[in-house]
Amino acid sequence: AQTVTQSQPEMSVQEAETVTLSCTYDTSESDYYLFWYKQPPSRQMILVIRQEAYKQQNATENRFSVNFQKAAKSFSLKISDSQLGDAAMYFCAYRVIQGAQKLVFGQGTRLTINP
Amino acid sequence: ETGVTQSPTHLIKTRGQQVTLRCSSQSGHNTVSWYQQALGQGPQFIFQYYREEENGRGNFPPRFSGLQFPNYSSELNVNALELDDSALYLCASSPAYTGDNYGYTFGSGTRLTVV
Repeated sequence: AQTVTQSQPEMSVQEAETVTLSCTYDTSESDYYLFWYKQPPSRQMILVIRQEAYKQQNATENRFSVNFQKAAKSFSLKISDSQLGDAAMYFCAYRVIQGAQKLVFGQGTRLTINP
Repeated sequence: ETGVTQSPTHLIKTRGQQVTLRCSSQSGHNTVSWYQQALGQGPQFIFQYYREEENGRGNFPPRFSGLQFPNYSSELNVNALELDDSALYLCASSPAYTGDNYGYTFGSGTRLTVV
């Protein structure tokens, strides 16, 4: 069974600094997708960044980038120039390419931005 | 384009009762999935509907059931409510059964409290 582990229940960072959130996963599949979602107090899950496992190049979206290490089954999220609006719960998620679009989520990391 | 809309936003029910939660999918999306998010946890996949048929189910008992309508909106029904059913219930839609790699569009959820 696929599992996703986020080992940091809470993280904090000074505004304008850089923070990295960790995620590891377990799967026997060779092709899959990985995602980072942000959940602010409004509760809606917002897609931050996605990575296709067959792509070696790490995904980047503005201030957000990932470090995808397929052999190590690691998928960390780096947030540069942290802003107060980045404060939220962050969830790492995994999905197989074939079959039902079931997302497997980690337990989440609460990110606090200190002004 | 409209997003995913869920109703009601909050609900309080008594143990043993039945509840129906509703979800309107994003325009153009024909696949709907439901997730249960207990307090302080990541979302857990309940089931997915495509073209009015259930085509994937997580580890939830049969008292969790659903429907999808011709307009792709969906309902989640929970019978014989238990205290542990208290959670945030998230609905997510996507454009096709096989999905794309953009993940889901999530609603803001229904907060169910069972007393």
